[in-house]
Amino acid sequence: GAGVSQTPSNKVTEKGKYVELRCDPISGHTALYWYRQSLGQGPEFLIYFQGTGAADDSGLPNDRFFAVRPEGSVSTLKIQRTERGDSAMYLCASSLTGPGDSPLHFGNGTRLTVT
Amino acid sequence: GEDVEQSLFLSVREGDSSVINCTYTDSSSTYLYWYKQEPGAGLQLLTYIFSNMDMKQDQRLTVLLNKKDKHLSLRIADTQTGDSAIYFCAESNDYKLSFGAGTTVTVRA
Repeated sequence: GAGVSQTPSNKVTEKGKYVELRCDPISGHTALYWYRQSLGQGPEFLIYFQGTGAADDSGLPNDRFFAVRPEGSVSTLKIQRTERGDSAMYLCASSLTGPGDSPLHFGNGTRLTVT
Repeated sequence: GEDVEQSLFLSVREGDSSVINCTYTDSSSTYLYWYKQEPGAGLQLLTYIFSNMDMKQDQRLTVLLNKKDKHLSLRIADTQTGDSAIYFCAESNDYKLSFGAGTTVTVRA
């Protein structure tokens, strides 16, 4: 597609439930990133994929968060046993190679609300 | 993030120039970015500058980089109502971007 696509655009779930957020990067982009943005703040890094592997997952807040990118294209961010504090905008980005070589392009995000 | 600081608000009259300032801490940053975010939307890449440059111009946008002072600015010429948004400065440290908290720009008629 023309840009990074994220689905759903909005997700409301109950505390304790499991959610999956999907990201479809720009075609041909090898690097994929997940960021989380809380209200009134800038985005914060969660995880970076180069191809199929997670090169750095140090930003994931705890073991309830997990992300995969099995074929090196689409990625899914998975959150288990959701908590109200997980409510935020989850942003996905991709770049042609790594961020040192090419800029990051972001999708429109998934706004997650945990009730 | 705490490594990137921006003023929180800017009000500008339509047709005037806007200048948004940013300071960062990582002298090894390769690229510095400006993103725009409209309400409820994702981040739109506006422009970016490589750290060995001191200026970049792209239509109404001018980026100035003072690497010695670790200061980055974005100037928007002839500001329009459609420029009302939150503007984020970001520095890249290898594969991570560190963002400021954003500057909310309000354009008044």
